[in-house]
Amino acid sequence: RKEVEQDPGPFNVPEGATVAFNCTYSNSASQSFFWYRQDCRKEPKLLMSVYSSGNEDGRFTAQLNRASQYISLLIRDSKLSDSATYLCVVKGSSNTGKLIFGQGTTLQVKP
Amino acid sequence: DVKVTQSSRYLVKRTGEKVFLECVQDMDHENMFWYRQDPGLGLRLIYFSYDVKMKEKGDIPEGYSVSREKKERFSLILESASTNQTSMYLCASTGGAWGSIQYFGAGTRLSVL
Repeated sequence: RKEVEQDPGPFNVPEGATVAFNCTYSNSASQSFFWYRQDCRKEPKLLMSVYSSGNEDGRFTAQLNRASQYISLLIRDSKLSDSATYLCVVKGSSNTGKLIFGQGTTLQVKP
Repeated sequence: DVKVTQSSRYLVKRTGEKVFLECVQDMDHENMFWYRQDPGLGLRLIYFSYDVKMKEKGDIPEGYSVSREKKERFSLILESASTNQTSMYLCASTGGAWGSIQYFGAGTRLSVL
């Protein structure tokens, strides 16, 4: 079983739609959680951190469910520019900064 | 602004060649990482380093070695390149609170013929 699992998609949605991605992780000792965004042929970049209380950044909302060991990302009012691969990322208990990346979920927003 | 620089965007090498991939960061980060990214497999950690001259194996270290002689530079070495090492290689360094946010270089697309 992979440590971090995501549905690879692709998710094809029209502009303006709301779309949600889920991600599950296997290590209950994991401490920190993130969503990274990767555009085609580009490097991953941090989109947002995920907190237990949930957090929102504009059209993006991230939530963490520790009991069920899953993380979600909700995108409202999708834009064409949201088309990318979204990587679910988990950090363990070490202080070396080592992260575990999910395979990524591809989103295509269509006009 | 944060910067991680990889020396080459594209490389073409022949089987058996020794290949050096260089990565430099200007953020005074302790931790640096080398990943490879392949379709359907995502990002896989090859090696990481948490200090000068310190290194640890990641999930797929076979066929690779690394060098960290200076804090800002982390090199990935393919001792004898093989076709199954054709991939996108990404370097990252860690900053931010508790060293959690990784900043990536633009990547090196390596083709081994």
